[in-house]
Amino acid sequence: DAKTTQPPSMDCAEGRAANLPCNHSTISGNEYVYWYRQIHSQGPQYIIHGLKNNETNEMASLIITEDRKSSTLILPHATLRDTAVYYCIVSAKDNYGQNFVFGPGTRLSVLP
Amino acid sequence: NAGVMQNPRHLVRRRGQEARLRCSPMKGHSHVYWYRQLPEEGLKFMVYLQKENIIDESGMPKERFSAEFPKEGPSILRIQQVVRGDSAAYFCASSPGSGGVNEQYFGPGTRLTVT
Repeated sequence: DAKTTQPPSMDCAEGRAANLPCNHSTISGNEYVYWYRQIHSQGPQYIIHGLKNNETNEMASLIITEDRKSSTLILPHATLRDTAVYYCIVSAKDNYGQNFVFGPGTRLSVLP
Repeated sequence: NAGVMQNPRHLVRRRGQEARLRCSPMKGHSHVYWYRQLPEEGLKFMVYLQKENIIDESGMPKERFSAEFPKEGPSILRIQQVVRGDSAAYFCASSPGSGGVNEQYFGPGTRLTVT
């Protein structure tokens, strides 16, 4: 089972920031938080990951609470092309690699 | 740098036939993961391979499914005697496999339809 919980769906107005929450209250000290998205039926697209510090790249920002029990993915200026299912995953690399456990994700609809 | 490639993109098989799905990882990546996505469901891990080794196959069905990643060539997911329940999208992902954190990069998937 996935170690994360996310709202099943969210709406966001085009041009506004989309803030997608994720709870991971049982996260372990060596587990990272990853975010992926899946547009329609395409392959999941990597967005960002972090351990305990906030992270930012050209796609998004990741805010992780100090206790690491939750995080928020921020798309600063959502466009219609950001409509997708967003997956929050926690995972640690061990000797057996790092397979991901996907939950149902959040279906983000960006509205014109 | 080309991304992860999968072929075929669509595959139709009759019940009882064999399906072979191929995955070429990104250049420089030595680790391959296979996931399955049933209609209207999330992705489920199947198997993790390094070159010539299966590292974790805990998500693979015990029968009819096998995977390999030879020294040369793509990784192959093989499904023997397909049944209608095998109809799904199969995604592979690759990662560099060295160092600490390794994000996975996914291919476009193969959509298998069993008639």
